[in-house]
Amino acid sequence: KAGVTQTPRYLIKTRGQQVTLSCSPISGHRSVSWYQQTPGQGLQFLFEYFSETQRNKGNFPGRFSGRQFSNSRSEMNVSTLELGDSALYLCASSYSGTRVSTDTQYFGPGTRLTVL
Amino acid sequence: QKEVEQNSGPLSVPEGAIASLNCTYSDRGSQSFFWYRQYSGKSPELIMFIYSNGDKEDGRFTAQLNKASQYVSLLIRDSQPSDSATYLCAVTSGGSYIPTFGRGTSLIVHP
Repeated sequence: KAGVTQTPRYLIKTRGQQVTLSCSPISGHRSVSWYQQTPGQGLQFLFEYFSETQRNKGNFPGRFSGRQFSNSRSEMNVSTLELGDSALYLCASSYSGTRVSTDTQYFGPGTRLTVL
Repeated sequence: QKEVEQNSGPLSVPEGAIASLNCTYSDRGSQSFFWYRQYSGKSPELIMFIYSNGDKEDGRFTAQLNKASQYVSLLIRDSQPSDSATYLCAVTSGGSYIPTFGRGTSLIVHP
C-alpha cells in the first residue's frame, strides 16, 4: 500500500506571497491532519479534515486554511506569508481519527517551506 | 493545556547498550501513547503504540506505560548507530484523537 504523499517537497517563497501544499493520504484513510514543525516549537497541530469537513483546528491564525476533497486528498493554504512561516509542513493520515484505541497517524515526507 | 514533556538530550549511548527514552504527560485522562522516530530531515515514522499499563515489546523496542505516574518510556535494546534519531512521544486524551507531541529526545548511538 502506498504511503502518504506530499507535494511539492521543497518550496521557496517571499514574504507576502501565498502558497498551497498538497497531501494524498494512504488509500482508505479518510482523516488528514496537518502539522507545522520548527526547531523552536516542535510539532504543532494545524487542523484535521474528515469527509471534506474540518473537524479540529489548532491555534494558528486565519492565514492558514485547508480543505479536503471527496477522494480524501487535502490541501493547505497559507496566505500573506511571513518569515516565521518557514517550517516543515507535515501531513498525516489515519483511517478515521475517531477510534482512539486503534487509530494511528502515518506521516508523509513533508514540504519544506522557506520564506525569504 | 495538555503537555507532553521529553528531555531534549542528546542522549548518548554506546553501540549494543540499552537506550532509555522517557516521556511524561500532564493529562490524567490520556488514553493512547505513541512513539515516533524522526531522522534528521525526514518525517516522523511510527515505531509503536501502547494503551495499557505495563510493557509492550516489538523486536528490540519495548514501550512501558505507568498511568499512575503519568509516564511512558521507550527502551531500545542492542542499540545500533542506525537508531540515532530524534524520538517523539505523542499522547491522545479522552475525547480527542488528535495527539499532542513532545518536542522529542535526540538519541546518539556511537560505535
